[in-house]
Amino acid sequence: KNQVEQSPQSLIILEGKNCTLQCNYTVSPFSNLRWYKQDTGRGPVSLTIMTFSENTKSNGRYTATLDADTKQSSLHITASQLSDSASYICVVKPTGANNLFFGTGTRLTVIP
Amino acid sequence: KAGVTQTPRYLIKTRGQQVTLSCSPISGHRSVSWYQQTPGQGLQFLFEYFSETQRNKGNFPGRFSGRQFSNSRSEMNVSTLELGDSALYLCASSQQGSSYEQYFGPGTRLTVT
Repeated sequence: KNQVEQSPQSLIILEGKNCTLQCNYTVSPFSNLRWYKQDTGRGPVSLTIMTFSENTKSNGRYTATLDADTKQSSLHITASQLSDSASYICVVKPTGANNLFFGTGTRLTVIP
Repeated sequence: KAGVTQTPRYLIKTRGQQVTLSCSPISGHRSVSWYQQTPGQGLQFLFEYFSETQRNKGNFPGRFSGRQFSNSRSEMNVSTLELGDSALYLCASSQQGSSYEQYFGPGTRLTVT
């Protein structure tokens, strides 16, 4: 079983609407949780990095939240734009280890 | 600063051949990590190099190998290619290691026929 599960697998929303992507993880303990945006055919780009002690972090229209008790994180996108169409990947870094655990991503499509 | 560069961007090989991919990290970054990305499996960690030493390795067969040079540039080699090796190969650089923020390159799209 993957230690980082993302939902939904794919999502289609209208331009201008908000959406929330979910990441559930079992990695414990962990030192940080990251969200990446990956455009088709390109490398992932970091959106946010949160340590275990942080609850929320924003980057423009992207806001990530973290609940370490329930082991859940969410990425909220406000006022979506066509350029937000991409895959969003949740990554968890365990404490004391150099490896990373990757979710399989949520594919977001924003339509006009 | 220039970003992470990977060459070549696209590659077509036949089964049984070998291939070498190259990654130039951001200037000043000493860590380079390699990942394989396929539609079904998502991103999977191959290995990480830091100051010319392999620091961590994922669960891939020995056909996958890498190295890092003194200027932090890294190469990844895959021998005896199989159809299942078709994937996007990404490298990511970081100042101090994958524990810290990583910057990804555009990837090399490898197709094995």
